[in-house]
Amino acid sequence: DTEVTQTPKHLVMGMTNKKSLKCEQHMGHRAMYWYKQKAKKPPELMFVYSYEKLSINESVPSRFSPECPNSSLLNLHLHALQPEDSALYLCASSQGVDNQPQHFGDGTRLSIL
Amino acid sequence: GESVGLHLPTLSVQEGDNSIINCAYSNSASDYFIWYKQESGKGPQFIIDIRSNMDKRQGQRVTVLLNKTVKHLSLQIAATQPGDSAVYFCAENGWGTSYGKLTFGQGTILTVHP
Repeated sequence: DTEVTQTPKHLVMGMTNKKSLKCEQHMGHRAMYWYKQKAKKPPELMFVYSYEKLSINESVPSRFSPECPNSSLLNLHLHALQPEDSALYLCASSQGVDNQPQHFGDGTRLSIL
Repeated sequence: GESVGLHLPTLSVQEGDNSIINCAYSNSASDYFIWYKQESGKGPQFIIDIRSNMDKRQGQRVTVLLNKTVKHLSLQIAATQPGDSAVYFCAENGWGTSYGKLTFGQGTILTVHP
């Protein structure tokens, strides 16, 4: 079992809905990440948080809004998504951003109708 | 831009054989690499990592080799088992202002036949 927990496991939403993805880790890690993975493709980085501050935003559209309420939690708020946003959204954490292994959750499978 | 890629998209082996998965990287400044295993319906699972000051690192049944001269990385799995069937990704960590930015290769599908 993974030590990074993501909820929900599956989410179906309309283009006008607002929803949030949640990620939690209790390993004492100070860096957390959001990745997007399309079918048969590698994960692509979206956001990096280091010590609860956003350090990298990979030019992600504003309809995706990350939030790091504390060192154990990471949220991804979704609003007005497009069908092409359907994907597996992965959360990861690591002790730090500098050459530390990232540990992934099992993701949220998101479908946009 | 810099990228990490794999030579072979699929690899099919018999149970008990040794498997070798290859990866080429293009950023000569890269100094940290990770191999992940991803099974269907799951997130990437950390297998082993290596820093650029090393040429080889061994884990349980796995060995990673790093050749900085030709910018090549490989993962060797000894006595491959059906449970090793998965997609394997190499990943390269960014540095400086890109610390934490993992760039993944395209992946190799490993299929192990009983």
